[in-house]
Amino acid sequence: EAQVTQNPRYLITVTGKKLTVTCSQNMNHEYMSWYRQDPGLGLRQIYYSMNVEVTDKGDVPEGYKVSRKEKRNFPLILESPSPNQTSLYFCASRITGGVEQFFGPGTRLTVL
Amino acid sequence: QQQVKQSPQSLIVQKGGISIINCAYENTAFDYFPWYQQFPGKGPALLIAIRPDVSEKKEGRFTISFNKSAKQFSLHIMDSQPGDSATYFCAASGGSARQLTFGSGTQLTVLP
Repeated sequence: EAQVTQNPRYLITVTGKKLTVTCSQNMNHEYMSWYRQDPGLGLRQIYYSMNVEVTDKGDVPEGYKVSRKEKRNFPLILESPSPNQTSLYFCASRITGGVEQFFGPGTRLTVL
Repeated sequence: QQQVKQSPQSLIVQKGGISIINCAYENTAFDYFPWYQQFPGKGPALLIAIRPDVSEKKEGRFTISFNKSAKQFSLHIMDSQPGDSATYFCAASGGSARQLTFGSGTQLTVLP
């Protein structure tokens, strides 16, 4: 089944404790992206990657890191999480030149 | 600065009624306007999309109306059903990187 998977689905952590949210897609898509969803703000892009080893900032990159060492994986790293990073996070992918993005199921992160 | 403004924030309609969600954009470089549907606990999924060379696109009970001169587009759901209850996001993209810019979302509730 073609899909985007994220792990973990739920995470509660404390301020300053480094964490990684994994994202993997099995559709051989070149483009991958991370979004955060907050009430009243919609989905805002954090980082995106056009291909392996090519990443760029989105609209809200502060406090986040990403890497793209393999085509299928695009992990999101929070090196020192803060409470304002409490949010619902989505990973998405699409083919280069395509318009439809395929989203993962989401990761709900709470930073205490 | 929000480049895609969406209204209303929430909408309650009776079964069989018409649901209308509106969006307005600012960037004239946008050339693709999708609507995504999100059910609780799931990631957004593409519902319907339009390009600015047409004024209307219909797929089943879902219709996008597009007004290029006013820089506005809307989603109409005819004969709304309880199963349509979800959050709807309008979006826009354009340029070489084709990043998606999302509206703030509309939570639709269709009463039985």
